[in-house]
Amino acid sequence: DAMVIQNPRYQVTQFGKPVTLSCSQTLNHNVMYWYQQKSSQAPKLLFHYYDKDFNNEADTPDNFQSRRPNTSFCFLDIRSPGLGDTAMYLCATSRGRQPQHFGDGTRLSIL
Amino acid sequence: KQEVTQIPAALSVPEGENLVLNCSFTDSAIYNLQWFRQDPGKGLTSLLLIQSSQREQTSGRLNASLDKSSGRSTLYIAASQPGDSATYLCAVPAGGSEKLVFGKGTKLTVNP
Repeated sequence: DAMVIQNPRYQVTQFGKPVTLSCSQTLNHNVMYWYQQKSSQAPKLLFHYYDKDFNNEADTPDNFQSRRPNTSFCFLDIRSPGLGDTAMYLCATSRGRQPQHFGDGTRLSIL
Repeated sequence: KQEVTQIPAALSVPEGENLVLNCSFTDSAIYNLQWFRQDPGKGLTSLLLIQSSQREQTSGRLNASLDKSSGRSTLYIAASQPGDSATYLCAVPAGGSEKLVFGKGTKLTVNP
């Protein structure tokens, strides 16, 4: 089935140690999004790619970066994670303004 | 700036009860509204999408309504079941873009 796949499902890393989360899609959607969701909070958009164009939200921390090497894959890099970056990270895709499809998320814990 | 509020934050009901979840948004210039379900530790599953030209949308026991002028939407769940227990989030586009703004959700518990 066509879907959005996030890896890993769970990631534990040390304070300050770089971490990369991945997202792949078989929907051939042109837009890919990364959201951060802290406990009992609304998902918060970090950035998104519209085709190859990168769009960063104004309040996304500088140590959060993203790469989209091709249509199917998108990565979230956290250069120096802090304790406050512990959260669920959600990847979503869409075709333009059509409904977004979400992956199962990566639960990231910073120790 | 678009803001989304969901009331109540949590709701506990006995099995079989009909219930309504509420969502309000500050900028009524939206082109659609989505309701999502989130199970603990999981991603989001889209339940219903209402286009701005529609007043309501139905899927099985779920019915979502939209009143753009008042900035409100409701999600009606009929004959609730324990399997409906989850967090329900609504989301609207930000400023006509493809980006979504989410509410914090309503955590629903249906007791057997």
